[in-house]
Amino acid sequence: GQQLNQSPQSMFIQEGEDVSMNCTSSSIFNTWLWYKQDPGEGPVLLIALYKAGELTSNGRLTAQFGITRKDSFLNISASIPSDVGIYFCAGLYYTGNQFYFGTGTSLTVIP
Amino acid sequence: GAGVSQSPSNKVTEKGKDVELRCDPISGHTALYWYRQSLGQGLEFLIYFQGNSAPDKSGLPSDRFSAERTGGSVSTLTIQRTQQEDSAVYLCASSLAGGGNEQFFGPGTRLTVL
Repeated sequence: GQQLNQSPQSMFIQEGEDVSMNCTSSSIFNTWLWYKQDPGEGPVLLIALYKAGELTSNGRLTAQFGITRKDSFLNISASIPSDVGIYFCAGLYYTGNQFYFGTGTSLTVIP
Repeated sequence: GAGVSQSPSNKVTEKGKDVELRCDPISGHTALYWYRQSLGQGLEFLIYFQGNSAPDKSGLPSDRFSAERTGGSVSTLTIQRTQQEDSAVYLCASSLAGGGNEQFFGPGTRLTVL
């Protein structure tokens, strides 16, 4: 199946640091979603983006829908231990009926 | 509960056996998706059901994989003659409708083929 390019693949950071990850696609999307997956559980939606250029925050999380419609980034400020997990982006083509998921970014926060 | 549920949570089977994985979507959600997640990998789309429309089976990796959704609610993913490479976590998600609606995921079924 088709997947988005998500980077970095993994991150090891100190508690309190900021985190940035991104997703890119060769095709135009009209919706971007960011999910977090804790071990042994299904992904949970963090932020949804529906418009090019849109910048949306959810607490310490901020995500942006790229102007070109081919990319999106997620920032986490002042990381804490419970931020540990795998973060996935997901994109929907404007003519599509299913989301394509990124390969995930594994985040480890060192206390 | 009000979320998506899946059963069993873990399944260990021998190579060549058939397995059935079950998904109970959120009540009222018309769209249902199955994904496969191999160790350390992203989510691989398998199949999508939307209401009474014909399912989108474009992600099924082989004819050993099939899925059905009875009465527009519960779905069963069947893998026949399992192979070791089928070992993965199988995730189910549902949404109010298809397209850009948020998908709510179940906890997954971890399948191990010995």
